[in-house]
Amino acid sequence: GAVVSQHPSWVICKSGTSVKIECRSLDFQATTMFWYRQFPKQSLMLMATSNEGSKATYEQGVEKDKFLINHASLTLSTLTVTSAHPEDSSFYICSARTPGLAGGFYEQFFGPGTRLTVL
Amino acid sequence: KQEVTQIPAALSVPEGENLVLNCSFTDSAIYNLQWFRQDPGKGLTSLLLIQSSQREQTSGRLNASLDKSSGRSTLYIAASQPGDSATYLCAVTSGGGADGLTFGKGTHLIIQP
Repeated sequence: GAVVSQHPSWVICKSGTSVKIECRSLDFQATTMFWYRQFPKQSLMLMATSNEGSKATYEQGVEKDKFLINHASLTLSTLTVTSAHPEDSSFYICSARTPGLAGGFYEQFFGPGTRLTVL
Repeated sequence: KQEVTQIPAALSVPEGENLVLNCSFTDSAIYNLQWFRQDPGKGLTSLLLIQSSQREQTSGRLNASLDKSSGRSTLYIAASQPGDSATYLCAVTSGGGADGLTFGKGTHLIIQP
């Protein structure tokens, strides 16, 4: 399957600082990437859809001014958590969408995730 | 809005048993359904993906079925092993594949040695 990387894998920061998380598709081009977050003992929730060269689409309840998404190339999307607070502590996972290996079906491939802890 | 429900929430069985995990979704107009495994503190491992036109997929000891009209999927694990212990997540996508995934809350599986 296709490979998606995320960096960093974990980050600890002080309240009020900004944190940038990178999501890269290593062996394919992805016009669309997705960002999810997972709070402890909860399932994954879609935060936003990132489209290359255009503005991201945010899910209801997700603050677009707090979670800045940039998808400047076909292999890189970044999520910046601005003025992070302890309630933003979570596991953030990205996925990249590509046509499937056969039949032209779309499929999402997931990165390994980034654990953010805000003190 | 699509909702995905997984039953049971937790399951503990002795090693060697065959088991079934259930997933249901409210909107049958899905593009595909995917089963994932998540180990504690880790990311997702994709297990099986079923396109909306398919009825089932198999990989080793795993078999997933899809009944789109009734909004149900099952994941069958044969001859369970302690290494199968993990949380299993079911997820669906719609919008012709353009939408993000909607996940269930998962089934936390423990296989007793």
